[in-house]
Amino acid sequence: QLQLQESGPGLVRPSETLSLTCTVSGDSISSTGHYWAWIRQPPGKGLEWIGSIYYNGSPFYNPSLKSRATISVDTSKNQFSLRVTSVTASDTAVYYCARLKGVAVADFWGQGTLIAVSA
Amino acid sequence: QSALTQPPSSSGTPGQRVTLSCSGSTSNIGSNPVNWYQQFPGTAPKLLIFTYSQRPSGVPDRFSGTKSGTSASLAISDLQSEDEADYYCAAWDDSLNAWVFGGGTRLTVL
Repeated sequence: QLQLQESGPGLVRPSETLSLTCTVSGDSISSTGHYWAWIRQPPGKGLEWIGSIYYNGSPFYNPSLKSRATISVDTSKNQFSLRVTSVTASDTAVYYCARLKGVAVADFWGQGTLIAVSA
Repeated sequence: QSALTQPPSSSGTPGQRVTLSCSGSTSNIGSNPVNWYQQFPGTAPKLLIFTYSQRPSGVPDRFSGTKSGTSASLAISDLQSEDEADYYCAAWDDSLNAWVFGGGTRLTVL
């Protein structure tokens, strides 16, 4: 049974860097045909795609984040990670990791982790 | 401002058929598959429909998706109380070079 689990600090100070990790179990992150993605949801609002990565390819990002996001993969740990630099209160959200069929169908999601940006 | 537009709310009574709409443009719905997600409060979204009308294993056939031009619809027949949730449409946008979501529709079962 595929499971994804996000882990992160919970609270980040403004202007600092947010770092999250998604641990994948029940499937290899190197499995062909699947991309891996980060998606976030501000409290009470809708979903926003942050970016995606293939295990052996270049990541690609939502241009709205203006190059603040970086996604990487660690195949040895079956994990992928997200870094968002220069965070502000508008980055406060539940962050989800997900497995994709192709580039735009999230068929498995993590439970999500709430990241608050506050001094 | 989402690239995909959904009405913020909709409602129906048990047993009724309801249709949720998602309006886009030629760069997203008009040229790429549409997917639908269901989300209950405090939980992660769940894939409901992909590639316009395909259902993942376990999704009841009460749920169906269609597309016409630059709009898509999610139909729920025989509405049940457990269908009360938020519903999001999504598609790749070739102009924005981004995967975009609608703002979501909150469905209330009266």
